[in-house]
Amino acid sequence: AQSVTQLDSQVPVFEEAPVELRCNYSSSVSVYLFWYVQYPNQGLQLLLKYLSGSTLVKGINGFEAEFNKSQTSFHLRKPSVHISDTAEYFCAVSVGPNEKLTFGTGTRLTIIP
Amino acid sequence: GAVVSQHPSRVICKSGTSVKIECRSLDFQATTMFWYRQFPKQSLMLMATSNEGSKATYEQGVEKDKFLINHASLTLSTLTVTSAHPEDSSFYICSANTATSGSTDTQYFGPGTRLTVL
Repeated sequence: AQSVTQLDSQVPVFEEAPVELRCNYSSSVSVYLFWYVQYPNQGLQLLLKYLSGSTLVKGINGFEAEFNKSQTSFHLRKPSVHISDTAEYFCAVSVGPNEKLTFGTGTRLTIIP
Repeated sequence: GAVVSQHPSRVICKSGTSVKIECRSLDFQATTMFWYRQFPKQSLMLMATSNEGSKATYEQGVEKDKFLINHASLTLSTLTVTSAHPEDSSFYICSANTATSGSTDTQYFGPGTRLTVL
């Protein structure tokens, strides 16, 4: 079985400051890694994903994440946040195509003007 | 890009009634659809995996007779909450997978359905 840990339930950041949202996972097999964003009362939107290849993955809205196999981490980063980035962010893993996603508990990113 | 819709977006019903939620992939064929449930300020919990033309696979602890899933076509899956009770009130989200054999995969999520049972 796989599991995902998002240690930070809430992260407040000043506008235009950098941010890192942490994600660690546990799995006995290779995994695919994902970050999703959820705006209030909406579904999830894919930010980025790691399937294979380069460990640095760039996504939408200026976000990027780096896969670190030795530390079993997939932290999400953005060099300069905006008010519109205020949302809930979920890290997720799956073991392959057509397989279910296992989600972390989410991190609420709040941007302070 | 791939779009998944859900209908209705919001439903309020009386205790004891049944509610059907539709999940449609609008511009692609989805061999697999997933149904998730999200409680307030919590993560998504997978309820079941639905494959077109076959019975859904339910996660442990999910009552299959209460949460009926039908995946009749490659673009439509439905979740019926039977004899709904207040504790079934939640945000239900579906996702559809565009993966085909040998290709990379992405799950596209619907906008969710907020169910309130009075």
